[in-house]
Amino acid sequence: AQSVAQPEDQVNVAEGNPLTVKCTYSVSGNPYLFWYVQYPNRGLQFLLKYITGDNLVKGSYGFEAEFNKSQTSFHLKKPSALVSDSALYFCAVRDENTGTASKLTFGTGTRLQVTL
Amino acid sequence: AAGVIQSPRHLIKEKRETATLKCYPIPRHDTVYWYQQGPGQDPQFLISFYEKMQSDKGSIPDRFSAQQFSDYHSELNMSSLELGDSALYFCASSLADGGSYNEQFFGPGTRLTVL
Repeated sequence: AQSVAQPEDQVNVAEGNPLTVKCTYSVSGNPYLFWYVQYPNRGLQFLLKYITGDNLVKGSYGFEAEFNKSQTSFHLKKPSALVSDSALYFCAVRDENTGTASKLTFGTGTRLQVTL
Repeated sequence: AAGVIQSPRHLIKEKRETATLKCYPIPRHDTVYWYQQGPGQDPQFLISFYEKMQSDKGSIPDRFSAQQFSDYHSELNMSSLELGDSALYFCASSLADGGSYNEQFFGPGTRLTVL
């Protein structure tokens, strides 16, 4: 079964500093990876995805993620954090070997806290 | 841009009652997914539909059922509600992949509280 792991429950960073939210994956075939962000009492917002191609994926709100096959990682990054980036971040992997409407399996989430 | 619409946004029920959650996907999206997110937990997949047919099934209790209608909206029916069913229920929609692995767009969720 495919899975993702987010080893950090919380990441703290000062505004203006770079941030990294870690994610590692385990899949039997090709990895299809996603990052979503969830603000309090809100739905999940799509940030970016890796399907194939360049290892550095650029997404919304200045976020990017680096796919590393040898380390089975897909870490989320941003060069300069904003207080408004404070939220819950989920890494997810899509099931490869099921039908058209394949589910996403989420990690446990990492709470990002950006302070002034 | 139009987003996924879920209704109601909040629902309070008693144990053993029934509940119906509705989801209206983004226009032209033909695929709908349901997820359950317990307090402090990650979203867990329940069920999905493509072109009105069930496509994938996750950890959905037998007490729950769902369907997708001809206008692509979907309903999640929950019976014999239990305290443990209290959660945030998300609906997501996407275009059928065709190999493009389109992302799922999530609605704001329905917060169900079972008393």
